[in-house]
Amino acid sequence: NAGVMQNPRHLVRRRGQEARLRCSPMKGHSHVYWYRQLPEEGLKFMVYLQKENIIDESGMPKERFSAEFPKEGPSILRIQQVVRGDSAAYFCASSRQQHTEAFFGQGTRLTVV
Amino acid sequence: TQLLEQSPQFLSIQEGENLTVYCNSSSVFSSLQWYRQEPGEGPVLLVTVVTGGEVKKLKRLTFQFGDARKDSSLHITAAQPGDTGLYLCAGDSGGGADGLTFGKGTHLIIQP
Repeated sequence: NAGVMQNPRHLVRRRGQEARLRCSPMKGHSHVYWYRQLPEEGLKFMVYLQKENIIDESGMPKERFSAEFPKEGPSILRIQQVVRGDSAAYFCASSRQQHTEAFFGQGTRLTVV
Repeated sequence: TQLLEQSPQFLSIQEGENLTVYCNSSSVFSSLQWYRQEPGEGPVLLVTVVTGGEVKKLKRLTFQFGDARKDSSLHITAAQPGDTGLYLCAGDSGGGADGLTFGKGTHLIIQP
């Protein structure tokens, strides 16, 4: 896990609010992946980004969810108008190149109340 | 849709025993990774296997990739309480799909 930084570790939002999750990849890594983990479920791929580009967002809900990885700064996963079903652990992973070993951050636990 | 089935889902054994957990799929993967996840933490990469039939050892842990690259196993010798955790396998298709496909994991408890 060393090197991939996610914040906040815990986030509580009321229904209808926005949630912003941040991820700084390991040094030298320009590929970022976001996953969601529900209780007793496996990690589900959401989106894959490289700097300034969304490469694959096939696992991300079409509405309310968006992701970015700007030229400068961390990758951001944004969830607008959160609902209770969005409560989950969201993990970011980074890799040096596509289809190489991915290293995960400690995750952000989102709770929607 | 690619699926990875892990078995058993739960396993509780005594310290010193040996165990094997399995990761199976009907799909071929270009590589397969094993992770261990502890409560409240992110998955930690243990090993990546790439070649069919490949065997990798990490101290008391032995990982094998099936010849057809559809399945994998993790064998732990003389299990210790520190081995307790959730073990996840994840496959990389290497093709168009850019994310890893994860199994639901094996919850392993090693009792002292």
